Amino acid sequence: EVQLVESGGGLVKPGSSLKLSCVASGFTFSSYGMHWIRQAPKKGLEWIALIYYDSSNKYYADSVKGRFTISRDNSKNTLYLEMNSLRSEDTAMYYCAKGNNYGDYWYFDFWGPGTMVTVSS
Amino acid sequence: DIVLTQSPVLAVSLGQRATISCRASQSVSISSINLMHWYQQKPGQQPKLLIYRASNLASGIPARFSGSGSGTDFTLTIDPVQADDIAAYYCQQSRESPPWTFGGGTKLELK
Repeated sequence: EVQLVESGGGLVKPGSSLKLSCVASGFTFSSYGMHWIRQAPKKGLEWIALIYYDSSNKYYADSVKGRFTISRDNSKNTLYLEMNSLRSEDTAMYYCAKGNNYGDYWYFDFWGPGTMVTVSS
Repeated sequence: DIVLTQSPVLAVSLGQRATISCRASQSVSISSINLMHWYQQKPGQQPKLLIYRASNLASGIPARFSGSGSGTDFTLTIDPVQADDIAAYYCQQSRESPPWTFGGGTKLELK
């Protein structure tokens, strides 16, 4: 059974940093691209980052480019999201999701339960 | 970016058919491959994949869910609607990316 479990969220002040983790199990983590997707309170879904299975490529949404960094450690079956210069508009539930793709045509076949990040003074 | 438009709310009676639509600002199809996917999100839970590439049922999803469409217009159908289906439904395109974009969601409510 595929399982994704995020952690690392919390309440932080604007301008601060936070690092999220997502531990994967039930599939060969090192063979799949992984994504971070967020959802602001009472809002829709926003894709924010992708990392290829071997970390060879990374992509970011414009809203987080230059502030957030996606990474992975295949030896630990763990995905990361390092978030710097946090803003109030980054307040959201952050989900990691397993990617399924045909070329660059990705969809998200399994999601973790999410970790909440609140940015407030 | 490709913009996906969904109606915010759909009210339906139990046992009836629900038809949820998603319209893309440009085609999300390549030849016969329709790059539209559907997710269900119940309150307090993470999204779950229902349909991939417009019409393929994800593993473990009941056959009362189906998807159709091509080009810019896509539909998720639930027939018959059960109480457990009350949730928000999101479409997502992967034709042009990044970013991989989602529709605003349709909240399925009981009439």
